Formats: sequence, structure tokens, C-alpha cells
Amino acid sequence: GENVEQHPSTLSVQEGDSAVIKCTYSDSASNYFPWYKQELGKRPQLIIDIRSNVGEKKDQRIAVTLNKTAKHFSLHITETQPEDSAVYFCAARRRALTFGSGTRLQVQP
Amino acid sequence: ETGVTQTPRHLVMGMTNKKSLKCEQHLGHNAMYWYKQSAKKPLELMFVYSLEERVENNSVPSRFSPECPNSSHLFLHLHTLQPEDSALYLCASSQEGGTALNEKLFFGSGTQLSVL
Repeated sequence: GENVEQHPSTLSVQEGDSAVIKCTYSDSASNYFPWYKQELGKRPQLIIDIRSNVGEKKDQRIAVTLNKTAKHFSLHITETQPEDSAVYFCAARRRALTFGSGTRLQVQP
Repeated sequence: ETGVTQTPRHLVMGMTNKKSLKCEQHLGHNAMYWYKQSAKKPLELMFVYSLEERVENNSVPSRFSPECPNSSHLFLHLHTLQPEDSALYLCASSQEGGTALNEKLFFGSGTQLSVL
């Protein structure tokens, strides 16, 4: 089955800096890659997703890039703010979603 | 209430108890999911119901039994659980179209389960 590796497990940045979280997947047939944000004590929420026929997608300060050949995709957050502090999960889907283990992002004011 | 609601928010049960978790979605979606979230582990898919028919079952132990009476309600019946089953159980829903399974999930707030 699909295996998704996510790095780093924790990330601390200064407010205003950029943050990058990386994921690799094993199933070359996976065709959909979402990112979820989970604030402490709250539900996971979809923040951005990308399909395999697209190499990059942006939404304001958030962007996701996909390299199908290398089977990895990344989340980029620019101009980080304290409210970006949360756990971020990547996922890959061929048929069912397989999640990464999460990255705890801490934005220091 | 809008979105996906789960009850109870917290549950403590003994290993011999029988309990049920409830999920209700108010989004008009046609697919519902149960996920298990344990500390320091990825979200694990347990069950998927699409158009009220179960389409995925990732080898979950039989002590977990799902029920989906209609497209808005989902239950997870629990019996003779083990301490390692303690976790946050998340319900989610989505609008499925054709082969687009598991896209744009809306999660509930979860039930924090402790098995003593």
C-alpha cells in the first residue's frame, strides 16, 4: 500500500520567515495530494490540495509543489504569523488517503 | 449546528463495556469516514461509507463496528476494547463524484476515547 513520509516532525521559525514541509510518497499511481492544518484541540482542516496533473498551486501565503518523478511534494508558507502555529499533515491518494505523521510548526513572535 | 458534529466529545470506558460514537453531518455530503488519531502516529483510515455503502475497511479489528443508517449519520459501535484503542476518533464527510473518493474531507472535532 501507499506510504507517506513527512519531514520535519517539528519546525520552529521566526514570525515573518518562510516555512517548508516536505513529504514523499511511494505509490506512483497516487493522483491527489492535500494538506491539512490542525490547531491544538481542534479538528483537521483542509488548507490546500493539488492534483498530479499540476506542478504548483498557490493560495495567498500558502503554496504546494509536486514533483511526480521524484514522488515528493512540499508545503511552503511565506510571511509566517503566530496563527500559523499548528500541526500540518500531508496526504496522498490513489484510492484512499494515506496521511503523513505530521509536522508541528511553531511560529515565534 | 453546521458542519460535522461528533458526540460524545470525551468517553472513558472499561474493557468490557459497550459504547457507541455518533457523527452527524449537515453539509449534504454523500460519503462519511471514521479515522483514528493516536499520539505521534499518522491519521489512520478505519471505514468509508459512500452513498451509505461501505467501500473500504482497512482490516480494523471486529471490536469496532460501523453503522451508517443514512447519508447524514454515522456510528461507531465499540465493544471489548483494549487500552491501545485509546485515541481520538475523528469522523469526516465529503462529496464524492465518480472516482473522486476521499477528497476535501470535512472533519468533526472528534471523540477522545480512553479505555481503562
